[in-house]
Amino acid sequence: EADIYQTPRYLVIGTGKKITLECSQTMGHDKMYWYQQDPGMELHLIHYSYGVNSTEKGDLSSESTVSRIRTEHFPLTLESARPSHTSQYLCASSDLGGANLNTEAFFGQGTRLTVV
Amino acid sequence: AQKVTQAQTEISVVEKEDVTLDCVYETRDTTYYLFWYKQPPSGELVFLIRRNSFDEQNEISGRYSWNFQKSTSSFNFTITASQVVDSAVYFCALSEVNYQGAQKLVFGQGTRLTINP
Repeated sequence: EADIYQTPRYLVIGTGKKITLECSQTMGHDKMYWYQQDPGMELHLIHYSYGVNSTEKGDLSSESTVSRIRTEHFPLTLESARPSHTSQYLCASSDLGGANLNTEAFFGQGTRLTVV
Repeated sequence: AQKVTQAQTEISVVEKEDVTLDCVYETRDTTYYLFWYKQPPSGELVFLIRRNSFDEQNEISGRYSWNFQKSTSSFNFTITASQVVDSAVYFCALSEVNYQGAQKLVFGQGTRLTINP
């Protein structure tokens, strides 16, 4: 069972507010990711990290920012939330697995964000 | 560019029927990984299988089986004797082999599977 946690699970917030979505994993994984999933179901990578002090932009442009100060923690921040940011945000982590260079990614339960 | 297509947006079957979820992918890479994930109503993504591009063996796990055909760029998923608990959204995904180990997944649109009692 994956040990990756996201808080809050649900968030309704007003336009213009600053928000931080938390993601923590206890598996010691170096690689962490944020995916955005709109109601149409498809997921898109918005940020990822190779390890501490590493952050990279994903395939989908996002106004959010991320930081990676500790291995286990990968928070996502929106400085000024807008209704267009309404979506589900899923955090994931993975490890480098020996001869299998890529192991599977383990996902958190997601944060459903609604900006009103 | 990589792309994954799940042409079936929704499938609805009666319990105990077999059902196949289609997945077609595009990539220029010769080495890559394919995945299936299940997303129940609770929202998390549950890993089901990983297959690398060098391994075209089909795999069976209980009622689940996967058919990987490189010649047609397909990685289809079959559930045998479906159960109500199989109801979920299923995603097929593709990942390049990143030698720094990053698992950057490209997802299909998902197939919403409903199993009716």
